[in-house]
Amino acid sequence: DAGVIQSPRHEVTEMGQEVTLRCKPISGHDYLFWYRQTMMRGLELLIYFNNNVPIDDSGMPEDRFSAKMPNASFSTLKIQPSEPRDSAVYFCASRPTVLNTEAFFGQGTRLTVV
Amino acid sequence: LAKTTQPISMDSYEGQEVNITCSHNNIATNDYITWYQQFPSQGPRFIIQGYKTKVTNEVASLFIPADRKSSTLSLPRVSLSDTAVYYCLVGEWEYGNKLVFGAGTILRVKS
Repeated sequence: DAGVIQSPRHEVTEMGQEVTLRCKPISGHDYLFWYRQTMMRGLELLIYFNNNVPIDDSGMPEDRFSAKMPNASFSTLKIQPSEPRDSAVYFCASRPTVLNTEAFFGQGTRLTVV
Repeated sequence: LAKTTQPISMDSYEGQEVNITCSHNNIATNDYITWYQQFPSQGPRFIIQGYKTKVTNEVASLFIPADRKSSTLSLPRVSLSDTAVYYCLVGEWEYGNKLVFGAGTILRVKS
């Protein structure tokens, strides 16, 4: 398996534009997590899904952020409109429904909003 | 999820053994202790997990005392490539409880 795949790896956009980050989890993994990492705030959990259903979105910072998982092999994190303070590295991770099994992270998307 | 406390940073030299301690006074009976490693510009990677006593794998050892209120990640003979952030997580991971990362410990290995 190729692991968790995120795209794009880098994104530069102008303030006010819509940004869509994409994630393909490992096949067979029932859980998918979206994280945001900055120097100031560390690694923050934004939202996670189980079997394509959002379970906890309490970490989503504002209504400008939304996440979807239309099927077991694809998820998106959308920011609309984007702001400079959204600049961060966004990670996607997945894990199977097995007791105490590790989560696997993607390489991340580095987002820069100018 | 139990709150964890780790040192913010540690420095070491190549070839030394490094021990990173994590405090988790409120650990629950069913909680496991898990450590992740994150290299610059990469996502975190699972290192090791344990419940009690000692666990060892090809990367590290995890020591957990009987009261389980702390744990120590031990990295034998570190190299420059072990420079990373190390996160301690405590929780019951059954059925995918959310993974919440603290600030972690920045380990700098010098030559």
